[in-house]
Amino acid sequence: AQSVAQPEDQVNVAEGNPLTVKCTYSVSGNPYLFWYVQYPNRGLQFLLKYITGDNLVKGSYGFEAEFNKSQTSFHLKKPSALVSDSALYFCAVRLHPLSGGYNKLIFGAGTRLAVHP
Amino acid sequence: DADVTQTPRNRITKTGKRIMLECSQTKGHDRMYWYRQDPGLGLRLIYYSFDVKDINKGEISDGYSVSRQAQAKFSLSLESAIPNQTALYFCATSDFQGLEQFFGPGTRLTVL
Repeated sequence: AQSVAQPEDQVNVAEGNPLTVKCTYSVSGNPYLFWYVQYPNRGLQFLLKYITGDNLVKGSYGFEAEFNKSQTSFHLKKPSALVSDSALYFCAVRLHPLSGGYNKLIFGAGTRLAVHP
Repeated sequence: DADVTQTPRNRITKTGKRIMLECSQTKGHDRMYWYRQDPGLGLRLIYYSFDVKDINKGEISDGYSVSRQAQAKFSLSLESAIPNQTALYFCATSDFQGLEQFFGPGTRLTVL
């Protein structure tokens, strides 16, 4: 069965330090991978995606993510965390359309990022 | 103005009541989705619609029904609400490629 795992419920980082939010996936075929962020009392906002090509993708607000096919991972990173980055982060995977993706996203459980001043 | 709107934003109801959650979008997208969010479970797909005449069940459709009244409107109904349907509900839209989904602000539903 297809699944997405975010092994950490919460990540704590000091402001100015680098941050990593981990994501691993288990799908058949070639996946499309996404990161979304949810601020309090808001809907999810798209951060970045990996479709094909360069394994390092850059997204909004200075975030980037690295696709590692051999480790089936897609970790979210930022070189220098801000207090305003504190939010709930979701990794999601979508199957390639030729693998029956049909635009359906499978979400991880979410990781709460807390950036302390 | 928000591209994807949901009404109501908050709703408290009693077991057995019928509830309708509404979603409207101005993005011109054909594809619309309903998800529920529960702590520690992420988002799970309830129903999705690729156009007005194409509606499909997601992974947790039992106890829910939907109506796609127009390209811009997609409603979720709970025919007889039960307490374990207490959750945060999100509507989302995408174009046909689906490379990015756009989410509404959510409806917090409490079933007593």
